[in-house]
Amino acid sequence: NAGVTQTPKFQVLKTGQSMTLQCAQDMNHEYMSWYRQDPGMGLRLIHYSVGAGITDQGEVPNGYNVSRSTTEDFPLRLLSAAPSQTSVYFCASSYTQGNSYEQYFGPGTRLTVT
Amino acid sequence: GDSVTQMEGPVTLSEEAFLTINCTYTATGYPSLFWYVQYPGEGLQLLLKATKADDKGSNKGFEATYRKETTSFHLEKGSVQVSDSAVYFCALVYNFNKFYFGSGTKLNVKP
Repeated sequence: NAGVTQTPKFQVLKTGQSMTLQCAQDMNHEYMSWYRQDPGMGLRLIHYSVGAGITDQGEVPNGYNVSRSTTEDFPLRLLSAAPSQTSVYFCASSYTQGNSYEQYFGPGTRLTVT
Repeated sequence: GDSVTQMEGPVTLSEEAFLTINCTYTATGYPSLFWYVQYPGEGLQLLLKATKADDKGSNKGFEATYRKETTSFHLEKGSVQVSDSAVYFCALVYNFNKFYFGSGTKLNVKP
């Protein structure tokens, strides 16, 4: 049971380039999310999914796309990278059982856009 | 809208000192509340949680009580260790697993 895995761990892009950050979970969780973490701002929700085929925008969705074709995978696409997207990106999966929520985080991808 | 406010850091303490990290929240419903911890270079790990008013979450000597009347969930530990040095995040969730995080509080514990 690997939990939540993310690739790559580090990435450097030039302005205008596109790329996909990969995220996979093997816990059969319905819910998956992408966050970015910037100094002094905590984690901000980019996009989330409540199940395969269903996605929605979070707090800071501009410049990012997502899709959820399977329960396991939730890739994040940067369409045209900008220096403002330099950040650490975390993927998370979660489940709900009654009033109980559990969320598990991946190890993160550190992205630098020059 | 929903939000979480944490005390700003860094917080610097000597080993065996008492720790309090304040957290207050704003929510339109009745959220579940969490504390997460992040060690350098790692992702977030769940530290403790509380799902309803007056619940106390506890783990590894840390405690936090869900106070609906003051909309607070302050993190406490009676005696910190150097190994507790990390960044601590308060968070809430109550709708579609959308988590809202505070800005984080960095704790430095000196030997």
